[in-house]
This record gives sequence, C-alpha cells and structure tokens, in this order.
Amino acid sequence: LAKTTQPISMDSYEGQEVNITCSHNNIATNDYITWYQQFPSQGPRFIIQGYKTKVTNEVASLFIPADRKSSTLSLPRVSLSDTAVYYCLVAPYSSASKIIFGSGTRLSIRP
Amino acid sequence: DGGITQSPKYLFRKEGQNVTLSCEQNLNHDAMYWYRQDPGQGLRLIYYSQIVNDFQKGDIAEGYSVSREKKESFPLTVTSAQKNPTAFYLCASSGTLGQGKTRDYGYTFGSGTRLTVV
Repeated sequence: LAKTTQPISMDSYEGQEVNITCSHNNIATNDYITWYQQFPSQGPRFIIQGYKTKVTNEVASLFIPADRKSSTLSLPRVSLSDTAVYYCLVAPYSSASKIIFGSGTRLSIRP
Repeated sequence: DGGITQSPKYLFRKEGQNVTLSCEQNLNHDAMYWYRQDPGQGLRLIYYSQIVNDFQKGDIAEGYSVSREKKESFPLTVTSAQKNPTAFYLCASSGTLGQGKTRDYGYTFGSGTRLTVV
C-alpha cells in the first residue's frame, strides 16, 4: 500500500487559488489517486480522482506528473466554506481494497 | 438516492457495555470498512470486508468485532474490551465503476456515529 505525505496544515484567503501537494513515492502501477474533503463531524466526501496528467471537474483540478510520485490538488478561488481537512488517498481502482488514510491537510481560509 | 446510512448519529455507552453501530448501503458495493477518528486526527482502519461472510482486521481491531451476513450490512460492535471507545466512527464502502449505483469512483462514506462513554 502506498504511503502518502501531505502538509499538516495550510492557510489562505478567500478568492485565492490553493494548491495542496501529496507525496506518494511508492505508488503502484494500478493505483489511482483520490482526494477527499472532510468537514467536522461528517464523513469524507469525494472531490476528484485521477491516474495521470491532469483532471478537472467543477470544483477542483488534479495535477499528476509523469512519474506519478506526487499529486497536487488545486482549488480555484477558495471561499470560507472550503475550510476543511483534505485527504490524499492512493489505492487500486478496483473494489475490495484496504484503504489507508494519511493524516490529511487542515486548510483554513480567512476573509 | 443511493448511499450509506449509519445509525445512530449519537450513542452513549456505559462502561462495561457492548454497543453495536449500524451501517447499511444500497450501492451494491462488495467491500465495506469501519474507521475510527479521534479529535483532530486522521482515520484509522478497524475492520474491512471484501465479500459477504468474510472480513479482515485493520490496524486497530482490538476491542471491536464485526459481521458481514448480508452484502448491504456491516455492523460494528464495540465491546467492553475496548478501553477507550469514545470517538467518531465512520463506515465506508467501495465498488468498481459500473457496479451498482456508485456516486463516486469507488469509495463512499456514511455520515458517522459519535460514541461517548459515560
């Protein structure tokens, strides 16, 4: 199972772009990279998933370099409601996988 | 709408009591998981099940037990052997794209149960 490393915390301001990087040096060929968002007293919520290069959806972009040893979650023009903990998860795409979560990045957005 | 339902949302346990947390999913997912989260901490895996009638211990299984008699259900029992059970418990399920009703690419979480020992 690939181990992930993320910054413990980050601060930013409303309207800014926030980039959170996750390191996963021993990622396997069949592993996908998924990011989750968690608010206090709630379950994590899926944000975005990718395998290589760039993926974009309505809330975020995910950048994955060719060696796939890291990934960067990009949140455009953050607001106060983006204050949450963000988890990077590396696991095989198929079901029946043992999921191991890292400690996550606590993102605080200020007015 | 498909998803995972955890109940109850809040649970209080007296010392020495066993309590059971419910987790039900209608996503037709094969795999289900239980995590524990302590204040300000990440998620730690308690047990997971890849298929009906089979389950494996995670990193912190001591003091917990599970069963998987139906694909849709994965209840967690916190036994009296768990010395510090006060925590937030999260259930999750995973399936491949196209397997039943998946809302995201594999892993869906419930809304959690907060267990407090009184």
